[in-house]
Amino acid sequence: GAGVSQSPSNKVTEKGKDVELRCDPISGHTALYWYRQSLGQGLEFLIYFQGNSAPDKSGLPSDRFSAERTGGSVSTLTIQRTQQEDSAVYLCASTPQVAKNIQYFGAGTRLSVL
Amino acid sequence: QQQVKQSPQSLIVQKGGISIINCAYENTAFDYFPWYQQFPGKGPALLIAIRPDVSEKKEGRFTISFNKSAKQFSLHIMDSQPGDSATYFCAASVRGSGGSNYKLTFGKGTLLTVNP
Repeated sequence: GAGVSQSPSNKVTEKGKDVELRCDPISGHTALYWYRQSLGQGLEFLIYFQGNSAPDKSGLPSDRFSAERTGGSVSTLTIQRTQQEDSAVYLCASTPQVAKNIQYFGAGTRLSVL
Repeated sequence: QQQVKQSPQSLIVQKGGISIINCAYENTAFDYFPWYQQFPGKGPALLIAIRPDVSEKKEGRFTISFNKSAKQFSLHIMDSQPGDSATYFCAASVRGSGGSNYKLTFGKGTLLTVNP
């Protein structure tokens, strides 16, 4: 079956603009994570969604970052007033109910803020 | 504060050799330790994982060694092949509330190059 799908694969924006990154998890997967992968910082947890539970937002770096997950499936990560330090690859992962510890990652969205 | 320290940053091995990547952690609450493999332009993929109640786990050419008292774990790749050339990440997680939040804390990665 299809894996985790992220769009766009690449996004170039100007400093100060807002961007939206989309994640389509594997069908039937119940949990969804966002991570950021940047040079020198490695992979950093951003946010976690599980069903109707309140999301774990503990990794969001500032209030310019937000995410939502509609209908328990598709998720959108929004970055407002982008800064150059937001340039990174944003990765989404989903996990099945029967193996909650196994995260399946998408290929990511490479964000470049000019 | 970096909770998972990974070394080396890069590693070059000859085909057929053994690749060894080491990680150390600080948070004794971590209870799940996976290794991920990432090829350029792709997302990380789970390679092998271990829980702290065992000292070693082997899957094919890949072995995790785990030392709970030293808070260290390592990945050994036996008979390394050029196709193993990738970036490897160690990670750790604490099972969160509700028993389903496995948010991962990653090491900074090791770029492995296996020469033919």
